[in-house]
Parts: sequence; structure tokens; C-alpha cells
Amino acid sequence: GENVEQHPSTLSVQEGDSAVIKCTYSDSASNYFPWYKQELGKRPQLIIDIRSNVGEKKDQRIAVTLNKTAKHFSLHITETQPEDSAVYFCAASSGWGKLQFGAGTQVVVTP
Amino acid sequence: GAVVSQHPSWVICKSGTSVKIECRSLDFQATTMFWYRQFPKQSLMLMATSNEGSKATYEQGVEKDKFLINHASLTLSTLTVTSAHPEDSSFYICSASRDRAYEQYFGPGTRLTVT
Repeated sequence: GENVEQHPSTLSVQEGDSAVIKCTYSDSASNYFPWYKQELGKRPQLIIDIRSNVGEKKDQRIAVTLNKTAKHFSLHITETQPEDSAVYFCAASSGWGKLQFGAGTQVVVTP
Repeated sequence: GAVVSQHPSWVICKSGTSVKIECRSLDFQATTMFWYRQFPKQSLMLMATSNEGSKATYEQGVEKDKFLINHASLTLSTLTVTSAHPEDSSFYICSASRDRAYEQYFGPGTRLTVT
């Protein structure tokens, strides 16, 4: 089955700096890669997703890149703000089906 | 659109009793619903996948006789934790997806505490 690895497990950044989280996956059939932000005790919130036919996608301060050959994808957050502090999860899916989540990254943005 | 609710939001039960958690898609028909469990400071672990009118498919290591899943309609799935034990205490989250769609919409989660 699919295995998703996520790094780093914690990430501390100064407000205004960029944050990068990286994930690798094992199943070459995976074709959908969402990223979620989860605050303590809340549901995961989809912040951006990418499909395998696209190499990069951007939405304001958030971008995701996908390298299918290397089987890795990354989340980039620019101009970080304190409200970006949360746990971020990557996930992979072979489409219309179950998601395999990474272990999560605790992001702390210090003012 | 694409709102998913869960009930209850939190529940405390005694060891040995059963508890039912409901997951509803409020404004769309959910062909597939997923149930996840999340322990503190850990990731979401998929427990099972259910399609309306079919038996749920459980992930390896999840006891289907202990975690009963029913997906009786396109808007409702239930998870019953039978004979609950303290180690079943966790955050249970459901998600739902439309037919042939990638995105899953998550419920707010249910905090289960077994004493």
C-alpha cells in the first residue's frame, strides 16, 4: 500500500520568512496530493491540492510542487504569519479513494 | 457547499459500553465516507471506507466487529464503538466525498473518552 513520509516534524520560522515542508510517497499510481492545516482539536482544512498532471500550483502565499519522477511533493508558505502556526499534513491518494497521510509537521511562526 | 457534520462532538462513556457516532453530509450526496482515528500529536489513521449500501472496507489491524460502520444512505454514516475500552479513547473524524471526486470533506470530529 501507499506510504507517505513527511519532513520535518517541527518547523520554527520567524514571521515573514518562508516555510517548506517535504513529503515523499511510494505508490507510483498515486495521482492526488492534498495538503491540510489542522489546528488543535479541529478538523483538517484543505489548503491546497495538486494532481499528477500538474507540476506546480500556487494560491496567494501557498504553493505546492510535485516531482512525479522522484515521487516527492512540497508545500511552500511565503511571508509567514503567526496565524500560519498549526500542524500541516500532506497526503496521497490513487484517486477517488482513501488518503494516506504523512506524520505531520508542527509549524510555529514567531513574531 | 460541501458541509459535513458529526454528532456528538464529544462523548464520555464507561468501559464496556458502546457508543455511536454519526457523520452527515448536509448539502451533498456522499457516495463514499471514510472514518479516521487520530491519537494526540499523531496523524490521521484511516480505519475504514464505506460506500452507501455496501459493507465497509476496513484497514488492516482494525477490528470490524469492534468498530461497526453503517452507511445506510447517501448522507449518513455511523460508527459504533462496541465494548469500548480506555485505549479506544481518541479523536474520531469522518470525511465524505462526492461520486468520482478527489476531494474529501471532513467532519469536525468526535472526542471519545472511555473511563
